[in-house]
Amino acid sequence: AQTVTQSQPEMSVQEAETVTLSCTYDTSESDYYLFWYKQPPSRQMILVIRQEAYKQQNATENRFSVNFQKAAKSFSLKISDSQLGDAAMYFCAYRRGSARQLTFGSGTQLTVLP
Amino acid sequence: KAGVTQTPRYLIKTRGQQVTLSCSPISGHRSVSWYQQTPGQGLQFLFEYFSETQRNKGNFPGRFSGRQFSNSRSEMNVSTLELGDSALYLCASRTGSNEAFFGQGTRLTVV
Repeated sequence: AQTVTQSQPEMSVQEAETVTLSCTYDTSESDYYLFWYKQPPSRQMILVIRQEAYKQQNATENRFSVNFQKAAKSFSLKISDSQLGDAAMYFCAYRRGSARQLTFGSGTQLTVLP
Repeated sequence: KAGVTQTPRYLIKTRGQQVTLSCSPISGHRSVSWYQQTPGQGLQFLFEYFSETQRNKGNFPGRFSGRQFSNSRSEMNVSTLELGDSALYLCASRTGSNEAFFGQGTRLTVV
């Protein structure tokens, strides 16, 4: 079974600084997708970034980028120029290529300090 | 384009009762998945529907059931509610192999 591990329950960052959230996963599949979702106090899960396993290039979305290390099964999220609105719970998620269900990590609560 | 809509947003039920939650996916999305989120267990997959057929089911008892209508709207039902069923229930819709878009959830409290 696939597992996703987020070892940092809480992180904090100063506004305008950079922070990296860690995620590791375990799978024997070769075709899969990885995601970072953000869940603010409104509770709605918002997709931050997506990475296809077959792509070697790390995904980037504005201030958000990932470091995808396939051999190490590591998928970290870097947030640059942190803003107060980035404060939220961040979930790492895995989906097998042909499947529709997501397997989530336990989440990292990010606090942005003014 | 409207997002995923879940109703109601909040529910309070008594142990032993049953409850039905509703999810309207993004227009054009035919796949709807349900997740349960609790502080102790985190986010867990309940089931997924595509074209009115259940395609996959998580490890939940038979008290949890669902269905999907021809317009892709989905409902999930929990019978004989237990205190442990108190959770945030999230619905997500997607199309093809694209990413899932989530609703704001229904907060169910069982007393």
